[in-house]
Amino acid sequence: RKEVEQDPGPFNVPEGATVAFNCTYSNSASQSFFWYRQDCRKEPKLLMSVYSSGNEDGRFTAQLNRASQYISLLIRDSKLSDSATYLCVVRVSGGYQKVTFGIGTKLQVIP
Amino acid sequence: NAGVMQNPRHLVRRRGQEARLRCSPMKGHSHVYWYRQLPEEGLKFMVYLQKENIIDESGMPKERFSAEFPKEGPSILRIQQVVRGDSAAYFCASSPPAGELFFGEGSRLTVL
Repeated sequence: RKEVEQDPGPFNVPEGATVAFNCTYSNSASQSFFWYRQDCRKEPKLLMSVYSSGNEDGRFTAQLNRASQYISLLIRDSKLSDSATYLCVVRVSGGYQKVTFGIGTKLQVIP
Repeated sequence: NAGVMQNPRHLVRRRGQEARLRCSPMKGHSHVYWYRQLPEEGLKFMVYLQKENIIDESGMPKERFSAEFPKEGPSILRIQQVVRGDSAAYFCASSPPAGELFFGEGSRLTVL
């Protein structure tokens, strides 16, 4: 089983739609969680950290479910500019706190 | 406050030559990560370094690839005797301990 699993998509959604991505992780010692965004041929950029209580940043909501070992990202009112690949990132506690990236979920918002 | 700086941004090499990619982490960051990305594929972890130490090189090919992060100066990813399959984007990221990773713009290697 992969340490971090994501559905690679693509998810094709119309403008204005709500879309959700899930990411599962296998290591119960995982401590920190993040969503990154990567545009085509660009570097990944931090979108948001994911906190235990869930957190929101404008149209973006991230949630963590430790019991089921998954995190989610919800995008409301999708914009064309949201088209990108969304990467789930997990950092484990202990040792050297290894960071693991998921393969990414590709989102295409269509007019 | 400058971000993660990578150079060169683009590098062209012929088969058999050496490629050296440099990464200067963000100010105050002591942790450096290198990733490789082929077109239409995900990020592949290569190596994680702290100053003068390789912490995890489990993603590095056993031959031709090496990395260092000296006490002074940038981190270097070195590829000897390049082959066409080494053509990829190489991203460097830095972080403080237990913090988020910040990426450089990448170095795109083309092997002719």
